[in-house]
Amino acid sequence: KAGVTQTPRYLIKTRGQQVTLSCSPISGHRSVSWYQQTPGQGLQFLFEYFSETQRNKGNFPGRFSGRQFSNSRSEMNVSTLELGDSALYLCASSPEAADNEQFFGPGTRLTVL
Amino acid sequence: GEDVEQSLFLSVREGDSSVINCTYTDSSSTYLYWYKQEPGAGLQLLTYIFSNMDMKQDQRLTVLLNKKDKHLSLRIADTQTGDSAIYFCAESTRDDKIIFGKGTRLHILP
Repeated sequence: KAGVTQTPRYLIKTRGQQVTLSCSPISGHRSVSWYQQTPGQGLQFLFEYFSETQRNKGNFPGRFSGRQFSNSRSEMNVSTLELGDSALYLCASSPEAADNEQFFGPGTRLTVL
Repeated sequence: GEDVEQSLFLSVREGDSSVINCTYTDSSSTYLYWYKQEPGAGLQLLTYIFSNMDMKQDQRLTVLLNKKDKHLSLRIADTQTGDSAIYFCAESTRDDKIIFGKGTRLHILP
C-alpha cells in the first residue's frame, strides 16, 4: 500500500504570495490532519478534515485554510505569506477521525523569502 | 492549556539503553504516543499507550506511564546507530487534538 504523499516536497515563495500544498492519504483513509513544524515552536496542529468537513482546528490565523475532496485528498492554502510561515508542513492520514494511529507523509518544506 | 515537555538532547553510547522522558499537563489524555523522525522524513509512530496502562513493551521499546505525575518515558534497549533520530512525545486531548513535545534529539556515541 502506498504511503502518504505530499506535493511539492520543496517550495520557495516570497512574502505576500499565497501557496497551496497537497496531500494524498493512504488508500482507504478518510481523515487527514495537517501540522506545521518549526525549530522554535515544534509541531503544531493546524486542522483535521474528515469526509470533506473540517472536524478540528488549531490556533492559526485565518490565512491558513484547507479543504478535502471526495477522494480524501486534501489541500492546505496559506495566503499573504509571512517570513514566519517558513516551516515543514506535515500531513497525516488515518482510517477514521481522531484515530490513534496517524501515518505521516514526508512533508513539504516551505521557505518564504 | 495543554503542554508537553521533553528535554532537547540525549547522548547515549551504542549498546547502552536510552531513556527519553516526557511530562504532559492534560490529565484527561486518553492516549500518549512516541513518534520518531529521521532526517528528511516525516514522523513514524513508534508506539502508544492507553492512559489506564502503566507499561507497554514492544521488542526493544518499553514505555512507562506514571499517570499521577503525568510522566511518560521511552526506553530503547541496546541502542543502535539506526536509532539516531528525534523522538517526539505526544498526548491526545479531550477535544481529539494531538499535542506534541518539541522533540528529543538522540545522539549515539560509538
